[in-house]
Amino acid sequence: KQEVTQIPAALSVPEGENLVLNCSFTDSAIYNLQWFRQDPGKGLTSLLLIQSSQREQTSGRLNASLDKSSGRSTLYIAASQPGDSATYLCAVSLRSNDYKLSFGAGTTVTVRA
Amino acid sequence: DTAVSQTPKYLVTQMGNDKSIKCEQNLGHDTMYWYKQDSKKFLKIMFSYNNKELIINETVPNRFSPKSPDKAHLNLHINSLELGDSAVYFCASSQGSGNTIYFGEGSWLTVV
Repeated sequence: KQEVTQIPAALSVPEGENLVLNCSFTDSAIYNLQWFRQDPGKGLTSLLLIQSSQREQTSGRLNASLDKSSGRSTLYIAASQPGDSATYLCAVSLRSNDYKLSFGAGTTVTVRA
Repeated sequence: DTAVSQTPKYLVTQMGNDKSIKCEQNLGHDTMYWYKQDSKKFLKIMFSYNNKELIINETVPNRFSPKSPDKAHLNLHINSLELGDSAVYFCASSQGSGNTIYFGEGSWLTVV
């Protein structure tokens, strides 16, 4: 059974600092990994999807890396802004025909102005 | 236009009642899901439908019955509501499996 862990559960940084969010998973035979953002009272917004064959994906200030063999992914957010305050969740899919994602509990980020 | 929309957003009801949550997606996707987010914020899959066919039923009590009248809709009906059913229920959709999943904004269910 795939277990996904995100540490720390909460993080508070001053504006401008780079954010580093960690995700680990127990079964390294994943198909892909997604990072999501959840704002309070809102749904999840997909940020990045990394296929198992990829090492990283970038979108603007966001960069996600994947080390399948060690069961880890890291989401980097450069030059954080107060608008980046949210909960960030990672989720893994085990197979190409796997219709379910295994989610971590998320890291709640607060960026202080 | 909202890609995945679900109604109602908030629902407060008494134990024992029957209620439904509706979901519609306008992305043209062939796969839809219901996820449950509990008080500890863990998201767990409940059901998945692909082309109106049930493909995942993740040991959910049979008081929960999903219905997909067409590929763009997946409704969730809950019978005999219990206190433990209080949670946020998210509808989502994707094109096939292993692709980006798009979530609705959630339905906050409180059973009193």
